[in-house]
Amino acid sequence: EDQVTQSPEALRLQEGESSSLNCSYTVSGLRGLFWYRQDPGKGPEFLFTLYSAGEEKEKERLKATLTKKESFLHITAPKPEDSATYLCAVQAPSSASKIIFGSGTRLSIRP
Amino acid sequence: GAGVSQSPRYKVAKRGQDVALRCDPISGHVSLFWYQQALGQGPEFLTYFQNEAQLDKSGLPSDRFFAERPEGSVSTLKIQRTQQEDSAVYLCASSLGAGAGNTIYFGEGSWLTVV
Repeated sequence: EDQVTQSPEALRLQEGESSSLNCSYTVSGLRGLFWYRQDPGKGPEFLFTLYSAGEEKEKERLKATLTKKESFLHITAPKPEDSATYLCAVQAPSSASKIIFGSGTRLSIRP
Repeated sequence: GAGVSQSPRYKVAKRGQDVALRCDPISGHVSLFWYQQALGQGPEFLTYFQNEAQLDKSGLPSDRFFAERPEGSVSTLKIQRTQQEDSAVYLCASSLGAGAGNTIYFGEGSWLTVV
């Protein structure tokens, strides 16, 4: 069964304390892995798409990397405004239209 | 507006009542998706439209759920005879190209509470 598992469920960091969020996936033939940011009461906001192992994408303090079994979202010197839930998702191999989301990591950055 | 617009933002329905949730996608976007998000969980796929055609409805949880996009733009998700387990945020999303491989833009969601 296609599955996406994110860890940890929640992470509290001090401002400036770098860390990584993990996304493990089990799909038969990855067609695309996505990272989204979701603020409370809002819809998910697209961050990155990764397609193949070894690929990396960066945006400000965020860098996403991909291996054959997992993806990491690295956060360097985070600021309080980076506090949000980060969602990982994969395109279902069996469907051209379905994206399977993980449960997310709730990130809190203390000033 | 520039983004995906959903209405109502909040809806309280009595159990057994029918509800209709509206989505205005970004103008010109071919693809439209509906997702359901329970508290503390990631979004779960409900259905997909390419223009006016509903190509995938495999995620609709029961025959009480019905979606349409008759003119290939605005879409409505209808839930008949609501149950408490239908309480969730219903997210609409759209993308310029066909399928889920393109950048998908989400609305802010319609929060449904069934009492």
